[in-house]
Amino acid sequence: AQSVAQPEDQVNVAEGNPLTVKCTYSVSGNPYLFWYVQYPNRGLQFLLKYITGDNLVKGSYGFEAEFNKSQTSFHLKKPSALVSDSALYFCAVRDASGGYQKVTFGTGTKLQVIP
Amino acid sequence: DGGITQSPKYLFRKEGQNVTLSCEQNLNHDAMYWYRQDPGQGLRLIYYSQIVNDFQKGDIAEGYSVSREKKESFPLTVTSAQKNPTAFYLCASSPDRANTQYFGPGTRLTVL
Repeated sequence: AQSVAQPEDQVNVAEGNPLTVKCTYSVSGNPYLFWYVQYPNRGLQFLLKYITGDNLVKGSYGFEAEFNKSQTSFHLKKPSALVSDSALYFCAVRDASGGYQKVTFGTGTKLQVIP
Repeated sequence: DGGITQSPKYLFRKEGQNVTLSCEQNLNHDAMYWYRQDPGQGLRLIYYSQIVNDFQKGDIAEGYSVSREKKESFPLTVTSAQKNPTAFYLCASSPDRANTQYFGPGTRLTVL
């Protein structure tokens, strides 16, 4: 079975400060890992993914995430937060082994960037 | 939201009625998905389809039905058997084995 945990329901950060949204995962094999962002009453937008290779993945809007296999984590980061980054962020995982595997989503972390 | 459209944006249903939510994509993706989103629960998979004329139940398929007659279209019917259908419904499609998903704008269903 695969699972993903986002331990913080909400993260508050001042505009211009670095931000981190945490994610840990559990899969039996190697993981494919994803981050999505959702603005109110909208669908999810794909930000970035880790498949293989470099542990630091760069994505849209200046976001990046670091894959840490020993800690089974995939935290989302941005060097300088913008008020427009305020949204709901979802981490997701799927097991890379075998054929079709569904994607399991976390429960989401609300990011509030304070002006 | 890319090339995935969902309609309507808002839908109101009386108890006992079936309703159908539309999902269309022009991305030429083989795989399509339906999720339900409730506050604090993340996304839960209802049905998915990897190819035309084939679909599989997800984690919460009871009370829902789908069809996949065309590659571009994957409509979801919420039947009267679904006990608590009020939710935000999201359709997604995927082009790759990694299952990277691209989402539509969603349909908010409210049962009156």
